[in-house]
Amino acid sequence: NAGVTQTPKFRILKIGQSMTLQCTQDMNHNYMYWYRQDPGMGLKLIYYSVGAGITDKGEVPNGYNVSRSTTEDFPLRLELAAPSQTSVYFCASSSVAGGLGEQYFGPGTRLTVT
Amino acid sequence: DQQVKQNSPSLSVQEGRISILNCDYTNSMFDYFLWYKKYPAEGPTFLISISSIKDKNEDGRFTVFLNKSAKHLSLHIVPSQPGDSAVYFCAATGSGAGSYQLTFGKGTKLSVIP
Repeated sequence: NAGVTQTPKFRILKIGQSMTLQCTQDMNHNYMYWYRQDPGMGLKLIYYSVGAGITDKGEVPNGYNVSRSTTEDFPLRLELAAPSQTSVYFCASSSVAGGLGEQYFGPGTRLTVT
Repeated sequence: DQQVKQNSPSLSVQEGRISILNCDYTNSMFDYFLWYKKYPAEGPTFLISISSIKDKNEDGRFTVFLNKSAKHLSLHIVPSQPGDSAVYFCAATGSGAGSYQLTFGKGTKLSVIP
């Protein structure tokens, strides 16, 4: 049981490039989330999903897109990367909605945009 | 505008003593509160939670206290151990619409000195 896995662990992008951050969970959780954590700050919700085919915006969705074609996978797409997107990205999943139950986090992807 | 505030960026405590981490919130709609613990290069892990209908929740060495009138909660760790050295995030959510979104504080870095 791997929990929540994220790839890649590290990535450096040039301004204007695009990439997809991968997230997979093997706990059969309906709810999945993408957060970003900037240095010295708390985590901010980018997008979330309540099940396959259903996604919605969080607090900071601009510059990102998501899809949820299966229960297991929740990729995050960055289009036209900007330096402001330099951050650590965490994917999480839970069996109940949002904060009402424990969220399980992946190890994170450290992204630098230069 | 920070809705969840952890005003102490860091805290040092001797092994065996009590660690007290504090958190204040401003949004009256928050009614469920959680603490997450994060080690370097890992994702956050759930520690303990409390509903607004309670004023205390205990789990082993960890106790969370909630003072709704003061919009304040605290996490007590007794006795503190070197393995408790990590960043602790306070998070809050409402149980109605918007309960998908956890609002995190900036975190407090706890150092337990052997």
